[in-house]
Amino acid sequence: GAGVSQSPRYKVAKRGQDVALRCDPISGHVSLFWYQQALGQGPEFLTYFQNEAQLDKSGLPSDRFFAERPEGSVSTLKIQRTQQEDSAVYLCASSLVLVQGVEQFFGPGTRLTVL
Amino acid sequence: GNSVTQMEGPVTLSEEAFLTINCTYTATGYPSLFWYVQYPGEGLQLLLKATKADDKGSNKGFEATYRKETTSFHLEKGSVQVSDSAVYFCALSVFSGGYNKLIFGAGTRLAVHP
Repeated sequence: GAGVSQSPRYKVAKRGQDVALRCDPISGHVSLFWYQQALGQGPEFLTYFQNEAQLDKSGLPSDRFFAERPEGSVSTLKIQRTQQEDSAVYLCASSLVLVQGVEQFFGPGTRLTVL
Repeated sequence: GNSVTQMEGPVTLSEEAFLTINCTYTATGYPSLFWYVQYPGEGLQLLLKATKADDKGSNKGFEATYRKETTSFHLEKGSVQVSDSAVYFCALSVFSGGYNKLIFGAGTRLAVHP
């Protein structure tokens, strides 16, 4: 079956532009996560949705970052007034059930470059 | 707080060599432990996991044992292949509030040459 998909795969933005990154999780997956992966580093948690509810946004680096999942499926991560330090790969992951140790399935990521 | 430390890379090995990538963690509560792998040009995928102390996760010839006494989850493979060349990430999650938030190490790049 289809995995997690993300679009666009690559995005180049000029400093100050707004960007929107899309995530299509595996159908039926309750949980959806966004992570940020800087070059040469491991992914870092940004935010978590359970269905349409955003239960944890503790990892969002500033109020320029906003995420939504209005119908409990597709999610969008929006970054306003992008800065060079926002350059990273943004990963989306989903998981099916709410139990300890469940696997998260990752998308291919969106590589954002801010010039 | 929760954190993961793994050995720095790159690790360069000849084909059929023995592999160890060290991973230690700090966690409150009872974490689950994971190894994820990222092959060139591909997304992260789960390699193996263990959800409680003394569990051994295994897959594709890789193994790791959850050692609570040493807070470690070292990845091993007896005989690596060129196709194992990838970046390997150790991670933990603590189930809290009804979900598992993954915390990753910095990753270890493995290069296997013929």
